[in-house]
Amino acid sequence: DADVTQTPRNRITKTGKRIMLECSQTKGHDRMYWYRQDPGLGLRLIYYSFDVKDINKGEISDGYSVSRQAQAKFSLSLESAIPNQTALYFCATMPAGGEDTQYFGPGTRLTVL
Amino acid sequence: AQTVTQSQPEMSVQEAETVTLSCTYDTSESNYYLFWYKQPPSRQMILVIRQEAYKQQNATENRFSVNFQKAAKSFSLKISDSQLGDTAMYFCAFARGSNYKLTFGKGTLLTVNP
Repeated sequence: DADVTQTPRNRITKTGKRIMLECSQTKGHDRMYWYRQDPGLGLRLIYYSFDVKDINKGEISDGYSVSRQAQAKFSLSLESAIPNQTALYFCATMPAGGEDTQYFGPGTRLTVL
Repeated sequence: AQTVTQSQPEMSVQEAETVTLSCTYDTSESNYYLFWYKQPPSRQMILVIRQEAYKQQNATENRFSVNFQKAAKSFSLKISDSQLGDTAMYFCAFARGSNYKLTFGKGTLLTVNP
């Protein structure tokens, strides 16, 4: 079974709809991250969390919100989706100490019509 | 703010040959980490290799090695004996500080030709 899972893997929605992307991990890592990938732009950080009570904005947090329901779960919400939020979204995890490498989920492709 | 620049949007190489992907970065930090991630058509982000800035020795992972030039702020990836499965988008990334937020370059699309 994959260590970092994301649901759904693909989603098409309409402008103005609220949508939630979910990330779960079995790696036991404390730190979790949400990134967005656009063609030609690489990945950019949306939000990150170091534990259940810690939420931090990344460089492109406008239009997004997150929830850290448990150590293993970190959800990304688009309150009112717009077409320029069409992108590939990645969740990543990292242990709190020692190893300094982020491990990525398989990604969610979101299309906003 | 840190920036990561990959100056080669696309590259191609023949199978079994060697190819080098370029990456430069800009930072005022002295302690940081550098990474190369691979994204094949499956879109999964796969860690290829990592380098700690305080280590002078270049990292190596099987056919993958880096040339880390700290003073020049350069971090190139060399792939030896290229294989068809190496065809992918390659991203250079930088992380610093206790939050380890990754800053990515825009990527280099590598195609390995038979």
